[in-house]
Amino acid sequence: DGGITQSPKYLFRKEGQNVTLSCEQNLNHDAMYWYRQDPGQGLRLIYYSQIVNDFQKGDIAEGYSVSREKKESFPLTVTSAQKNPTAFYLCASRNGGQPNTGELFFGEGSRLTVL
Amino acid sequence: AQSVAQPEDQVNVAEGNPLTVKCTYSVSGNPYLFWYVQYPNRGLQFLLKYITGDNLVKGSYGFEAEFNKSQTSFHLKKPSALVSDSALYFCAVRDRHTGFQKLVFGTGTRLLVSP
Repeated sequence: DGGITQSPKYLFRKEGQNVTLSCEQNLNHDAMYWYRQDPGQGLRLIYYSQIVNDFQKGDIAEGYSVSREKKESFPLTVTSAQKNPTAFYLCASRNGGQPNTGELFFGEGSRLTVL
Repeated sequence: AQSVAQPEDQVNVAEGNPLTVKCTYSVSGNPYLFWYVQYPNRGLQFLLKYITGDNLVKGSYGFEAEFNKSQTSFHLKKPSALVSDSALYFCAVRDRHTGFQKLVFGTGTRLLVSP
């Protein structure tokens, strides 16, 4: 079955450590996204990528980095510069072909806790 | 910039009663509107979308949404609620920034259906 796989599901990190969250999709979608979810704040966009080797900052990119070396993969690194990294992270993708009405398909999320 | 507002943090309804989850939007141009549902520690699932056409949109699990241009609203409805509908619901609007599409989400409304 096609879908988006995020790993790990749960991750604990000590302060000062970088961590990388994996996102893999087999939907052949062009665009991929990372959102952060905090209680009461909804979803906020961290980074997005339209094609391989290209990505753009979203609304809250500080302290995060991404890469897009393959169409299927869009890993997110939470660096030690992110001041409040404890959150639920969601990866999503979108089909860039026609008809393109914009809906996103989401993975199951990764919960990061900083100890 | 495009935005959506979900004025209720929580909606309580008894099983078998009709439910409404409210959403208002602010866009320039024609709105593309979406509803998603999230169960605890899971990703978001697409419910329905409004692109154009009939103001009443039907989606998954018996949900529907009514688009009202004059009131800039896109309320989610269901004629008869189930306990299993209890979840977090997000309204979203498509934002096309510099030709790249992304979704802007509301803060979410928690629906609690009591037996």
